[in-house]
Amino acid sequence: NAGVTQTPKFQVLKTGQSMTLQCAQDMNHEYMSWYRQDPGMGLRLIHYSVGAGITDQGEVPNGYNVSRSTTEDFPLRLLSAAPSQTSVYFCASSPGTPRDGYTFGSGTRLTVV
Amino acid sequence: AQTVTQSQPEMSVQEAETVTLSCTYDTSESDYYLFWYKQPPSRQMILVIRQEAYKQQNATENRFSVNFQKAAKSFSLKISDSQLGDAAMYFCAYRGGGDMRFGAGTRLTVKP
Repeated sequence: NAGVTQTPKFQVLKTGQSMTLQCAQDMNHEYMSWYRQDPGMGLRLIHYSVGAGITDQGEVPNGYNVSRSTTEDFPLRLLSAAPSQTSVYFCASSPGTPRDGYTFGSGTRLTVV
Repeated sequence: AQTVTQSQPEMSVQEAETVTLSCTYDTSESDYYLFWYKQPPSRQMILVIRQEAYKQQNATENRFSVNFQKAAKSFSLKISDSQLGDAAMYFCAYRGGGDMRFGAGTRLTVKP
């Protein structure tokens, strides 16, 4: 099925561990973004990319790294997990025009203990 | 930076009735797009409706319609003939030249 695929769906980490959340889309979309969703705060932008090789910071980038070596993939790396990073993470993609809404992945629920 | 505000954390509506969810935004851009997304308990984000800022006509999609007031920077969502399946979190979103920004969300409960 065409769309945005995120893995894993659930993850528990210990404080200080590192991990990578995977995101892939097969729609040839230029834009890709990572959001985190916390109760009462909506979705906040972590990092985004407007094309392969180009990334930029969003509202809450600290503690996260991204890269975009291909159009299809946009992994999110947690360098040293902290309890404050407990959240639901969404990857999203869209074509290059602002009129298009984002297509979202199904999300990753991450718990840092 | 653009901000999106949803002032109603929770709303409830009786089945078959009409409910309006509020959203305001702040921007200095003249060309932008506004969206409403629905997030049911499955967690999936579903696009409900889109409005182009340059269009004066309010967007409609079946039972969903918006009231777009550009001068007031207001973008409310009206759900008519509410159904049990409309129960969800609803997010208002803004997109100008690049990324998309979201409000905090409104949780809608539908009572049978």
